Amino acid sequence: GAVVSQHPSWVICKSGTSVKIECRSLDFQATTMFWYRQFPKQSLMLMATSNEGSKATYEQGVEKDKFLINHASLTLSTLTVTSAHPEDSSFYICSARPHGLWGNEQFFGPGTRLTVL
Amino acid sequence: GEDVEQSLFLSVREGDSSVINCTYTDSSSTYLYWYKQEPGAGLQLLTYIFSNMDMKQDQRLTVLLNKKDKHLSLRIADTQTGDSAIYFCAETSSGGYQKVTFGTGTKLQVIP
Repeated sequence: GAVVSQHPSWVICKSGTSVKIECRSLDFQATTMFWYRQFPKQSLMLMATSNEGSKATYEQGVEKDKFLINHASLTLSTLTVTSAHPEDSSFYICSARPHGLWGNEQFFGPGTRLTVL
Repeated sequence: GEDVEQSLFLSVREGDSSVINCTYTDSSSTYLYWYKQEPGAGLQLLTYIFSNMDMKQDQRLTVLLNKKDKHLSLRIADTQTGDSAIYFCAETSSGGYQKVTFGTGTKLQVIP
């Protein structure tokens, strides 16, 4: 149980295009999902917290107009990187917190590697 | 803000024990976690400990918490080549929406 999937697992796009990444909780409902970014050989940096049915909460320094987050259902959150540029190339990881579960456990997706040419 | 520090690299021989250390600054931490990340993959939760505990053992894994010194460690007994990965410690405090702060990660290399 507690499986989180991401799609696509990797994507290459041209500079200036937009890319959508999906995060799904497959066997549980998640009122809260998190989006992280990981640069090579570095830790995970929280970008935003996505709550079902409400606006996402962005961390300081993250442009909300560039990284659009939609949490339309209890099992799906999407991150759209708009007008992508090479500096947006990174490994994007989502996580989901089960609704009603104890404490603060999060289950992570396998990540999406974005390369912007 | 919160800060979580780890040593960057650890190399051990197969069969030996590995000890990965972590220090944190947030005195209001309530949960502390250890995650494993294999190359090109997401994070896998290995174990966690509540801040009111000193030790937790789970098969080959032993977590020690020194709350006074804000020091967390993960001991892997009988380390195997499959344990080679990056290990992140993480903490969350009791405030707000319980944001999780990750450490810098320790790359564990197991030598056959």
